Amino acid sequence: SQQGEEDPQALSIQEGENATMNCSYKTSINNLQWYRQNSGRGLVHLILIRSNEREKHSGRLRVTLDTSKKSSSLLITASRAADTASYFCATDAGNNNDMRFGAGTRLTVKP
Amino acid sequence: DAMVIQNPRYQVTQFGKPVTLSCSQTLNHNVMYWYQQKSSQAPKLLFHYYDKDFNNEADTPDNFQSRRPNTSFCFLDIRSPGLGDAAMYLCATSTEGAEEQYFGPGTRLTVT
Repeated sequence: SQQGEEDPQALSIQEGENATMNCSYKTSINNLQWYRQNSGRGLVHLILIRSNEREKHSGRLRVTLDTSKKSSSLLITASRAADTASYFCATDAGNNNDMRFGAGTRLTVKP
Repeated sequence: DAMVIQNPRYQVTQFGKPVTLSCSQTLNHNVMYWYQQKSSQAPKLLFHYYDKDFNNEADTPDNFQSRRPNTSFCFLDIRSPGLGDAAMYLCATSTEGAEEQYFGPGTRLTVT
């Protein structure tokens, strides 16, 4: 069963703009992860944020976590056409062995 | 380079004909996962192995089985594929549960 829900489902922006994607989840978590998937390929891990962290940066990526609201956001700054992909959040299901993925946000960055 | 490898990348099988998908890893990770992903949907966890311990998701159909003969290899067996089983099947590994997962490129299964 799904744990995370992303919004928007689809996002289309121009190159150079920032893209913000949100993820909400239902139960307590130990960590939340963001993954990227290019069409027809496997997923690539982007960033992991633990439940005791509020914000994390990696290059052009910024992730926030609000455990009181059970939500996270992924911000991609200065987007590039190569950022076009689907982005998924994933949370652990509490049993420390597996993750649940949200439905994903399909990002299109127009050159 | 250490990686997760899936073979074949594309598999076509007939309705009801058993099929096996394979995954191997050179990362020496303890945990291996199998996900099913249908078009425009989230990856859905089918089962995972923590070392040799098999963990089946409650809603994974009995039609799906898995084997992990050693640390490096894990197989997904679909005993009697139906048209609804056509999907991308993703294998992933991690050092420990619920940490960063490393995904293979996936096997796209077509059922005719």
